[in-house]
Amino acid sequence: DVKVTQSSRYLVKRTGEKVFLECVQDMDHENMFWYRQDPGLGLRLIYFSYDVKMKEKGDIPEGYSVSREKKERFSLILESASTNQTSMYLCASSSSRTDPYEQYFGPGTRLTVT
Amino acid sequence: RKEVEQDPGPFNVPEGATVAFNCTYSNSASQSFFWYRQDCRKEPKLLMSVYSSGNEDGRFTAQLNRASQYISLLIRDSKLSDSATYLCVVNIRNDYKLSFGAGTTVTVRA
Repeated sequence: DVKVTQSSRYLVKRTGEKVFLECVQDMDHENMFWYRQDPGLGLRLIYFSYDVKMKEKGDIPEGYSVSREKKERFSLILESASTNQTSMYLCASSSSRTDPYEQYFGPGTRLTVT
Repeated sequence: RKEVEQDPGPFNVPEGATVAFNCTYSNSASQSFFWYRQDCRKEPKLLMSVYSSGNEDGRFTAQLNRASQYISLLIRDSKLSDSATYLCVVNIRNDYKLSFGAGTTVTVRA
């Protein structure tokens, strides 16, 4: 079974703090994605990566950065958290070799910025 | 305009009923289409792909209408366990990125 884990289920941070969200997958997937999910807006892609040390901007990258130093790990960084970044953050991975459109999601991190 | 739009519902149906709903996509060059399912407070999971000729997976039937740019999902003989939010998902550029709709909520009651 594919397993995608995220470092925290719930996180509360203050405005201006630097926030790290970690994602690890154990299936040797090439592709990894970070989304945020907000009511009425659905999942919106923040950043994605097709390979180690490679990253590409998604639809809403402003205020975020990412790091992929190892194939299994993809980190999302909020450089200076703001209240409009309060959201559910979902990490996903997929395999380029088998089915790239079947994305496996982690359980999510609900981030609250006060 | 959103790339993928769905009726949010909720669709409240009794067990055993048939429920159907659509989603529309804005980019006529969209390549691939999917339905994902998200249970309450859980992560999304792939339910089924949608093929041009339409396809079935047990009680679930998906259809694609390229001319009108919509896809549909029909659930027959609804079960309580079908209660979930169904996400319409489109691949637009033949890369590995997916565009998600906001979801249609279905509640099946006993």
